[in-house]
Amino acid sequence: AQTVTQSQPEMSVQEAETVTLSCTYDTSENNYYLFWYKQPPSRQMILVIRQEAYKQQNATENRFSVNFQKAAKSFSLKISDSQLGDTAMYFCAFMKPASYDKVIFGPGTSLSVIP
Amino acid sequence: EAGVTQFPSHSVIEKGQTVTLRCDPISGHDNLYWYRRVMGKEIKFLLHFVKESKQDESGMPNNRFLAERTGGTYSTLKVQPAELEDSGVYFCASSPGGQAYTAENTGELFFGEGSRLTVL
Repeated sequence: AQTVTQSQPEMSVQEAETVTLSCTYDTSENNYYLFWYKQPPSRQMILVIRQEAYKQQNATENRFSVNFQKAAKSFSLKISDSQLGDTAMYFCAFMKPASYDKVIFGPGTSLSVIP
Repeated sequence: EAGVTQFPSHSVIEKGQTVTLRCDPISGHDNLYWYRRVMGKEIKFLLHFVKESKQDESGMPNNRFLAERTGGTYSTLKVQPAELEDSGVYFCASSPGGQAYTAENTGELFFGEGSRLTVL
């Protein structure tokens, strides 16, 4: 069974600084998909960034980028130029590439951006 | 376009009572998922509907939980009778149908704001 681990329950970062959130996962699959979701306080969870395991190039979305290390089964999220609106719970997630499959989430990292 | 909506946002009930949570997915989304997050732990999968059919219900904790999706539209999750350990936030998510990881369905889940259940 696949598992997702986030070893940092809480983190904080100064506004405008850079922060990296860690995620590791365990799977025997060769092809799969990884996600970072964000849940701001009292808001719904939204997708931040997505990575296909067969792609070697790390995904980027504006200030958000990932460091995907397939051999190490590591998928960290880097947030550059942190903004107050980045304060949220961040969940790392895994999905097998079947047509219909469930997404498996990690326990989350609570990120606080400090003015 | 309306997003995923969940009702109620918060429910407080006594142990042994019944609660029904409702989820309205994004219109046209065939896939509907229920997840639960208990006491700051990981978000755990409960079950997955494709239209009105249960595709995967391997995460349902026991037979006190009953999920339905009438006509492939909205879904309800009933807990009867509720126990203390059922407290948590219940999330609903939806995604388009069809083959995953195409232009139509990128694998992204669209979430509701969650229903917080407190069992006293």
